[in-house]
Amino acid sequence: DIQMTQSPSSLSASVGDRVTITCRASQDINNKLAWFQQRPGKAPKSLIYGASTLQSGVPSKFSGTGSGTDFTLTISSLQPEDFATYYCQQYERYPLTFGGGTKVEI
Amino acid sequence: QVQLVESGGGVVQPGRSLRLSCAASGFIFSTYGIHWVRQAPGKGLEWVTLIWNDGSNKYYADSVKGRFTISRDDSKNTVSLQMDSLRVEDTAVYYCARAYCGGGRCYEPNYWGQGTRVTVSS
Repeated sequence: DIQMTQSPSSLSASVGDRVTITCRASQDINNKLAWFQQRPGKAPKSLIYGASTLQSGVPSKFSGTGSGTDFTLTISSLQPEDFATYYCQQYERYPLTFGGGTKVEI
Repeated sequence: QVQLVESGGGVVQPGRSLRLSCAASGFIFSTYGIHWVRQAPGKGLEWVTLIWNDGSNKYYADSVKGRFTISRDDSKNTVSLQMDSLRVEDTAVYYCARAYCGGGRCYEPNYWGQGTRVTVSS
């Protein structure tokens, strides 16, 4: 199975900050990398697919970069609604696997 | 608008069965595969299974292989997850999510339901 390692597991930030979350795959995943946001008590929401393409309706303050095994999610100018847990997922090979999550806190 | 509605969750004893359903609307169902993803209390997301848009392929996590079965009924725009031999560690919120399928593969979850809670306890 492909292991997905996210870092950090949590971070503290303030409104207006720029934050970056890292996701590393245990092998090349051909950019088959997605990012999800999950607010407390809510279902996940899809943000990015193909490592860098925003899902429809996702604001441009979210951006994804990377290739091969190393990927990042950047959120520019954090707003109160952005405080949530973020997950990466590879969908190159079955079983699909998620990173452990990054909780973005105030 | 796109809607995915899960149902069928509840409290069940270890070793018993439960059947979850995911009802889809607002999109061309036959174009999309359906994932199930679960989340144990206080834990992260765990992918469970995927059925392709045409039902030709099904994939399972090792943790549920041989116990869970996914199926779809395109006449009702519904996907079912039959869960047998349930274990305490299957306790979780179960989400269904659609995935675009094309070019000989299906892709990532791109729209999620609100989830249904399953508790396995004696």
